Amino acid sequence: RKEVEQDPGPFNVPEGATVAFNCTYSNSASQSFFWYRQDCRKEPKLLMSVYSSGNEDGRFTAQLNRASQYISLLIRDSKLSDSATYLCVVIPASGGSYIPTFGRGTSLIVHP
Amino acid sequence: GAGVSQSPSNKVTEKGKDVELRCDPISGHTALYWYRQSLGQGLEFLIYFQGNSAPDKSGLPSDRFSAERTGGSVSTLTIQRTQQEDSAVYLCASSQGNSPLHFGNGTRLTVT
Repeated sequence: RKEVEQDPGPFNVPEGATVAFNCTYSNSASQSFFWYRQDCRKEPKLLMSVYSSGNEDGRFTAQLNRASQYISLLIRDSKLSDSATYLCVVIPASGGSYIPTFGRGTSLIVHP
Repeated sequence: GAGVSQSPSNKVTEKGKDVELRCDPISGHTALYWYRQSLGQGLEFLIYFQGNSAPDKSGLPSDRFSAERTGGSVSTLTIQRTQQEDSAVYLCASSQGNSPLHFGNGTRLTVT
C-alpha cells in the first residue's frame, strides 16, 4: 500500500459545483497534514493546513479523520480558477525526521 | 520576504555531462528538501537536510546523485554522467520544524 493515496481524477465539474477529494495515508503516527495546489508546470503552493478539528478558509474546508486515516478537501462554489491539481501532504512523527510525503494529486477541471 | 530561489530555471545538457542545481532557501529555515517531478507524475523525494547534515538521503536514485548544503543555507544537487531518465523538474523546498514546505520555482532539466 502506498503511503499516501489520492484518486488522480480528473474531476470535471461545472462552475458553482461543490466537489470533494479524499486522501488516505498509511502511517498512523502521521502528525501534520496539508493540502497544496499545483498549477500546470508550476511548483506546488500551500493551500491550507489540516487541523484535527477541521478548518475552513473561504470556500475551502479541510477535515482529518484519524480513525480512518484520511483527510479531505471540500471546495464549494467552484470557480474556473480552481482548476489545478490538488496534492495532499502527510508528515510523519518519526524521531524528529520530518519527511513530507506527497500524494500524486487529484486533478480538478472546472468548466463554464 | 524572499522565497526559495532555484537556479538555473532551465537546463539542457547532453547525456553523460554533469550538472549542478542550486537552491537558496528562505532565510532561517533549517530544513531543506529536494524532490523531483517527472512529467505527469507525483513528487519523488530525493534528500532532506537539517542544517548541514543529511539525515535522510534514501531517495537519491543512484550514486550519480549527490547533494550538499553549506552554512545551513544554500544547497547544491549534483548529477554526474546524466542520463535521459534524469530529465525532470527538480524542486527544492524549505521549512522550519514541521511547518509547511515552501517551494522554489524548480529547475527543469532536459537531458538530450
